[in-house]
Amino acid sequence: NAGVTQTPKFRVLKTGQSMTLLCAQDMNHEYMYWYRQDPGMGLRLIHYSVGEGTTAKGEVPDGYNVSRLKKQNFLLGLESAAPSQTSVYFCASTDTGDTGELFFGEGSRLTVL
Amino acid sequence: KQEVTQIPAALSVPEGENLVLNCSFTDSAIYNLQWFRQDPGKGLTSLLLIQSSQREQTSGRLNASLDKSSGRSTLYIAASQPGDSATYLCAVRPSDNAGNMLTFGGGTRLMVKP
Repeated sequence: NAGVTQTPKFRVLKTGQSMTLLCAQDMNHEYMYWYRQDPGMGLRLIHYSVGEGTTAKGEVPDGYNVSRLKKQNFLLGLESAAPSQTSVYFCASTDTGDTGELFFGEGSRLTVL
Repeated sequence: KQEVTQIPAALSVPEGENLVLNCSFTDSAIYNLQWFRQDPGKGLTSLLLIQSSQREQTSGRLNASLDKSSGRSTLYIAASQPGDSATYLCAVRPSDNAGNMLTFGGGTRLMVKP
């Protein structure tokens, strides 16, 4: 049972380069999220999706785009990376049933030089 | 706007001690509260989930309680071990179960010394 899987786990980019982080979940969850975690800032919501084909902005969406073409996948894109986007990115998913328990991926560490 | 606070921010205890981590929230209209553990360089692992109608949940040496009316939750760790060293976070989901409105506390960094 894989749960929530993120790829890649590590990436180094130069300023201005683009990249995509992939999140895949095998729990048939409706809701998926992208967070970033920075020292002293805690977890901040970037974008989220409440179902296939839907996306919405979170707390810190600028500089990022997302897509949810398939229910199990949630992609986070950086079109023109900036040093301020150096962070650890976490994907999470949750069901809409009784528990609402949140499951996280292992994280993707991104460094922008 | 919901605010979640965890005190203390850091805690160091000797092995074997029982300890309590605190989580407080400003809006009592919650759907559930979840406690997580995060090891350095790793993701968040769910420890306990308490629904708004529940008072506590237990898993092994861990016990989480919820007092919705006072806006508080505690995570009790019995007989602490060095392997318990990690950062512990709590997160609150609002009562309308809105998918976007999960609020996290800043975490408590726990170190258990042998």
